[in-house]
Amino acid sequence: EVQLVESGGGLVQPGGSVRLSCAASGFTFSSYVMQWVRQAPGKGLEYVSAISSNGGTTYYANSVKGRFTISRDNSKNTLYLQMGSLRAEDMAVYFCARDGKPFDYWGQGTLVTVSS
Amino acid sequence: QLVLTQSPSASASLGASVKLTCTLSSGHSNYAIAWHQQQPGKGPRYLMKLNTDGSHNKGDGIPDRFSGSSSGSERYLTISSLQSEDEADYYCQTWGTGLWVFGGGTKLTVL
Repeated sequence: EVQLVESGGGLVQPGGSVRLSCAASGFTFSSYVMQWVRQAPGKGLEYVSAISSNGGTTYYANSVKGRFTISRDNSKNTLYLQMGSLRAEDMAVYFCARDGKPFDYWGQGTLVTVSS
Repeated sequence: QLVLTQSPSASASLGASVKLTCTLSSGHSNYAIAWHQQQPGKGPRYLMKLNTDGSHNKGDGIPDRFSGSSSGSERYLTISSLQSEDEADYYCQTWGTGLWVFGGGTKLTVL
């Protein structure tokens, strides 16, 4: 059974940093592009970042470029999102997703709250 | 610019059918899409990939009540024999090289 479990969310001050993790199981993690998607309170889904199967290529939404860094450790079956220079508008539930063209499995999400 | 447009809301009665629409922006009618369901308080769930010819591949465990179809730049999700648990937000999604786009979502109310 494919499982994606996010962790690392919490309360962060504006301008602060946090690292999210997504632990994957039930499939060959190293074979898939992986994604981060977020959902602000009461809003729709927004693509955040993607990483190729070997980690060599990364993509970012314009809204997070230069502030967020996506990475993965295929030996640990884990996806990461390092988030920095956080703003109020980054407050959201962050989901990881497996990209089987399309996104065919999702995690349950982890909430990042940006507030002083 | 690749954009997906969805109606913000839809409603239908318990046991009835409903057809949700996702419209691809001009010049992008050859894109496949995916439909995702998000029940209140939960993460999204992949329903199906819908191709331009209307063929579709469903996710694991998705009931036969869910089906897809296509016409030109429009992609449809039909849910038949509506059940209370179908009350949810439905998002369409598409992708290109280094590009991933979501529609704004349709909130489905089961009356």
